[in-house]
Amino acid sequence: GAGVSQTPSNKVTEKGKYVELRCDPISGHTALYWYRQSLGQGPEFLIYFQGTGAADDSGLPNDRFFAVRPEGSVSTLKIQRTERGDSAVYLCASSLQNSGYGYTFGSGTRLTVV
Amino acid sequence: GESVGLHLPTLSVQEGDNSIINCAYSNSASDYFIWYKQESGKGPQFIIDIRSNMDKRQGQRVTVLLNKTVKHLSLQIAATQPGDSAVYFCAEKDSGNTPLVFGKGTRLSVIA
Repeated sequence: GAGVSQTPSNKVTEKGKYVELRCDPISGHTALYWYRQSLGQGPEFLIYFQGTGAADDSGLPNDRFFAVRPEGSVSTLKIQRTERGDSAVYLCASSLQNSGYGYTFGSGTRLTVV
Repeated sequence: GESVGLHLPTLSVQEGDNSIINCAYSNSASDYFIWYKQESGKGPQFIIDIRSNMDKRQGQRVTVLLNKTVKHLSLQIAATQPGDSAVYFCAEKDSGNTPLVFGKGTRLSVIA
């Protein structure tokens, strides 16, 4: 597509529930990144994929968070047993390669855990 | 919609004036820097970038200055317009296989 698409744009879930957030990167972009942005903060790195594999998952806060990219295109960020502290905007970006150049961000998914 | 940066430092400027937004970075190994603009409800949008072998780069109405000695980056916006109102973030990256690291943002508010 023309840009990075994230769905849903908004998600409200109850504490303890499981959620999936989807990212459709720009066609042909091999690198895909997930960031989390809390209110009043800059985006914080969670995980990045080069192709199908997670090249760096050092930003995932704990084992409730997991992400996949099975075919090297669409990625899903999965959060188990959600907590109120997980409430944030989850941003996805893609680029041709992880040179840091040409990151294009989606509009994010605003997750609210009540 | 919900604002991205309710508690961020704010720079207020008159329409038509020049704006300067500053950023301090901490990683001396960083060799690539980007400024992003983020409007409410949207993802960060690329404005301009600079590599560490340069100290100045100009775009359309924007200039980025890099001072590696004191690890300082600035974004200058000429003739600021109401559409420039947003939160601005600097981001840095080293030459390794690492992701972009974002700094704290600054909210720019343009007074018409």
